[in-house]
Amino acid sequence: QSVLTQSPSVSGTPGQRVTISCSGSSSNIETYHVYWYQQFPGTAPQLLIYKNSQRPSGVPERFSGSRSGTSASLAISGLRSEDEAHYYCAAWDDSLSGWVFGGGTKLTVL
Amino acid sequence: QVLLVESGGGVVQPEKSLRLSCAASGFTFNGYGMHWVRQAPGKGLEWVAGTSFDGSKIHYTGSVKGRFTISRDNAKNMLYLEMNSLRPEDTAMYYCAKDKVIWGYGVNSYIDYWGQGTLVTVSS
Repeated sequence: QSVLTQSPSVSGTPGQRVTISCSGSSSNIETYHVYWYQQFPGTAPQLLIYKNSQRPSGVPERFSGSRSGTSASLAISGLRSEDEAHYYCAAWDDSLSGWVFGGGTKLTVL
Repeated sequence: QVLLVESGGGVVQPEKSLRLSCAASGFTFNGYGMHWVRQAPGKGLEWVAGTSFDGSKIHYTGSVKGRFTISRDNAKNMLYLEMNSLRPEDTAMYYCAKDKVIWGYGVNSYIDYWGQGTLVTVSS
């Protein structure tokens, strides 16, 4: 059972906009920044969004993040087949004194 | 460029021990916090342990406290994870990961680079 809650799966067609949600609590998301990682099968995760909404160099503008209260979301617009991957949210947790992750959301591009 | 190479994984019997290593290069190792994050087969990511740049701050997830020890050798640019009393539920790919912010750790930083992982299987 992950500390942060994500829907197990989401799907969309090419060109569509999809949103992946991440729910936490006052000890993590409400207080600290949220980070998003993208993971393709058989590979290591890669940083996708940092500090709620910032994109590292090289990440397309199609990816955007936001945070409100105890929840955060990742939006992907102009969906492409190469976006098919697992997406994980993460935040520092005060009560656990460590990083917590969501269970991950598998994005399928139909 | 940042390179993190894990080693030391393998098949081990329950209650036995294993030591994972992570060789770091491409950045000033002694300036960054480091972490171990694991992923059980077909499951999500789970943060295991973290250490500040100088080893003065160390944290563990609850399920490994008292069994796992994270350490670092800044002179050798190496990160370690000593795992004792291993359980079948410790079976996972173990990733070495680097903090983003120099001299930062915990809330003052975040994970920006990951190694490719080393697989640990605990089975009799």
